[in-house]
Amino acid sequence: NAGVTQTPKFQVLKTGQSMTLQCAQDMNHEYMSWYRQDPGMGLRLIHYSVGAGITDQGEVPNGYNVSRSTTEDFPLRLLSAAPSQTSVYFCASMRLLNTGELFFGEGSRLTVL
Amino acid sequence: EDKVVQSPLSLVVHEGDTVTLNCSYEVTNFRSLLWYKQEKKAPTFLFMLTSSGIEKKSGRLSSILDKKELFSILNITATQTGDSAIYLCAVEWGNKLVFGAGTILRVKS
Repeated sequence: NAGVTQTPKFQVLKTGQSMTLQCAQDMNHEYMSWYRQDPGMGLRLIHYSVGAGITDQGEVPNGYNVSRSTTEDFPLRLLSAAPSQTSVYFCASMRLLNTGELFFGEGSRLTVL
Repeated sequence: EDKVVQSPLSLVVHEGDTVTLNCSYEVTNFRSLLWYKQEKKAPTFLFMLTSSGIEKKSGRLSSILDKKELFSILNITATQTGDSAIYLCAVEWGNKLVFGAGTILRVKS
């Protein structure tokens, strides 16, 4: 019972580098989302998707891209990393009909130097 | 333009105390309000509230929603050190879950 799997768990980047955070879920959830968590700011929604081929912006989408080619996968791309993107990133999924109960991955700690 | 505001931001209590955490929101056409607990890693689900005035209970934790005044409270009675965590409130609207900043609760023995 894997649930939501995020990789990598830790990553250090230099300013300007690009990278992809991977997220996969095996619960056949329609809804997937990415959040970032910074001290004192709770979880802020970056992008979300309600199904394969459908993505939308959250509260803080700038500097990030997503795609949803399959139900299972929802990668988050940083095109040109900036120090302001240093954060802990969480991927989460849920069933659309049973709204509210998000299942989270374990988080990915990203540091941009 | 914060849509979900939690208070207090942090709280220190002694074991056995009762605490009340607050969550107010500015979203009117929402589907549900949710509470999560976050210890060392990812948040875990506590409650989902959709109707005003109906209390949800789980052991020493309970929560209620007031849709007219746009707020919710989370009560924890007889607190234990294991209750130390960040408590997050979220509102679901328009296919999005938007979180507040959280309340950091520390329970001292």
